[in-house]
Amino acid sequence: ELKVEQNPLFLSMQEGKNYTIYCNYSTTSDRLYWYRQDPGKSLESLFVLLSNGAVKQEGRLMASLDTKARLSTLHITAAVHDLSATYFCAVDRTNRDDKIIFGKGTRLHILP
Amino acid sequence: ETGVTQSPTHLIKTRGQQVTLRCSSQSGHNTVSWYQQALGQGPQFIFQYYREEENGRGNFPPRFSGLQFPNYSSELNVNALELDDSALYLCASSLSLDRATEKLFFGSGTQLSVL
Repeated sequence: ELKVEQNPLFLSMQEGKNYTIYCNYSTTSDRLYWYRQDPGKSLESLFVLLSNGAVKQEGRLMASLDTKARLSTLHITAAVHDLSATYFCAVDRTNRDDKIIFGKGTRLHILP
Repeated sequence: ETGVTQSPTHLIKTRGQQVTLRCSSQSGHNTVSWYQQALGQGPQFIFQYYREEENGRGNFPPRFSGLQFPNYSSELNVNALELDDSALYLCASSLSLDRATEKLFFGSGTQLSVL
């Protein structure tokens, strides 16, 4: 059974600091996604990572994928308050039954 | 905005009742997935429909059922509601032509409370 684990689950940090959220998964997978969710809102797609060594960046967020280690990271550079949200990673199963498994999410709170 | 609309936004039901949730997918999208998100948890996959056929199902009992219509809109039906069914139900649509770049576009969800 595919399991997706994120850590930390809660993170409080100061503006201007850098930090990394980790996402480990238990079996091989085609793709890894990162989503953002604001309180009471739906999920917003941030990144889709398709291959080993993939790196994508948008603004202060950068995501990477190491399929051999079954690990993805979401790095936040010089955090700003607007990045406060819950971040989810999600993994697609290799047997392609289209079932996407989400982690429990990392609740990020950035202090001004 | 993702172009995926769900209705209703909020719903209160009692145990044993039945509920139908609706989702209109983004224009041109032929695949709809449903997720249940309990408070403080990640979304859990319920099932997916592709061109009106069920195309994958998660670990949910048969009282969770669905439909997809020719216009690719979808319904989620839950019978014999239980207290634990209280959650945010999210619909996501996608275009299953190129899985390499396929992204899910989520609706705002239906918050279901079972009393």
